[in-house]
Amino acid sequence: EDQVTQSPEALRLQEGESSSLNCSYTVSGLRGLFWYRQDPGKGPEFLFTLYSAGEEKEKERLKATLTKKESFLHITAPKPEDSATYLCAVQTGGTSYGKLTFGQGTILTVHP
Amino acid sequence: ETGVTQTPRHLVMGMTNKKSLKCEQHLGHNAMYWYKQSAKKPLELMFVYSLEERVENNSVPSRFSPECPNSSHLFLHLHTLQPEDSALYLCASSQDWQGAYGYTFGSGTRLTVV
Repeated sequence: EDQVTQSPEALRLQEGESSSLNCSYTVSGLRGLFWYRQDPGKGPEFLFTLYSAGEEKEKERLKATLTKKESFLHITAPKPEDSATYLCAVQTGGTSYGKLTFGQGTILTVHP
Repeated sequence: ETGVTQTPRHLVMGMTNKKSLKCEQHLGHNAMYWYKQSAKKPLELMFVYSLEERVENNSVPSRFSPECPNSSHLFLHLHTLQPEDSALYLCASSQDWQGAYGYTFGSGTRLTVV
């Protein structure tokens, strides 16, 4: 069974204090790893897809990286508006449709 | 506006009521999904529709009944719910049934069962 574990559960940072979120996974045949951002009362918003180990993608202050066992979401010099829940999800080749298995998320709070 | 619209945004219903959640996507996607999000738990896949055909029913109780009349609309019919069914219900769509480019989510319906 596919498993996705995110750590830490919650992270509090000061504005400008860089850090990383972790997503470790155990799957058979990774097809893609997805990062989403979710604000309170809203649906998840797509950030990145990573397909193979060694791949990196960047968007503003965020950079996502992927290894064979885990992915990191690096946040450089965060701002209060980066506060949100960050979700990681995996898609495997074991199904014939686009099923995503999600982790429980990391709640990020950035203080001014 | 994300391109996936869910109504209503909030719903309070008694355990004997019947209600429906609606989802509409304006993106020309061919697959649609229902997910349940409970507090401190990962998103749980409920149903998957690809080109209006249900391809997954993830062991969901029969008190939840999905309907997909066309590729742009998805409904979740609710009846005889339990308090533990209170959650955020999210609809999503993807470009094709393989979902290789990820999902686009709606804002969800916050359901409270009293």
